[in-house]
Amino acid sequence: DVKVTQSSRYLVKRTGEKVFLECVQDMDHENMFWYRQDPGLGLRLIYFSYDVKMKEKGDIPEGYSVSREKKERFSLILESASTNQTSMYLCASSRWGTLAHHWADTQYFGPGTRLTVL
Amino acid sequence: SQQGEEDPQALSIQEGENATMNCSYKTSINNLQWYRQNSGRGLVHLILIRSNEREKHSGRLRVTLDTSKKSSSLLITASRAADTASYFCAAWGGGSEKLVFGKGTKLTVNP
Repeated sequence: DVKVTQSSRYLVKRTGEKVFLECVQDMDHENMFWYRQDPGLGLRLIYFSYDVKMKEKGDIPEGYSVSREKKERFSLILESASTNQTSMYLCASSRWGTLAHHWADTQYFGPGTRLTVL
Repeated sequence: SQQGEEDPQALSIQEGENATMNCSYKTSINNLQWYRQNSGRGLVHLILIRSNEREKHSGRLRVTLDTSKKSSSLLITASRAADTASYFCAAWGGGSEKLVFGKGTKLTVNP
């Protein structure tokens, strides 16, 4: 079974802090994603990566950056945390496909990190 | 714009009853996927249905796709309390590079 793990289930940080959220998958998947989930807004894509050192912006990249130095690990960085970044953060991965089918495959999600910024 | 929109937003039924959730989307798709999320957890993939398929089954789950109406439905038969969760549809295609999730249907199955 695919396993996607996230470094923390709950995290509390202060405004202005730099925050790192880590995600690791163990199935040699090419594609990895970061979403945030907020009540009434559903899942929104922050960034995704389809290869090591590659990244693409999603719908809401502002205030975030990502790093993918190794295939199995995709990190989300909040450069200077703000209260409006309080949210549930979900990481996902999917198998490699052709460029046109990056998104077609099943996505496997981690358990989520609930981040509170005070 | 939102690709997948679930209906209803919330559904409460008794154990043993069937639960039907609907999803509508705006543009043509390549595939549509359904996911489940237990409270406070990550999403779990249930079924993927491709645009050239009309119906798919997996255990107590049945998914239909009507591309002419741009809609899909998820039927859970003989529901159990453990089916209590939020259910999301996610559509891919229509020129978008993204798998776009709806806002979900919150299903409560009462024992």
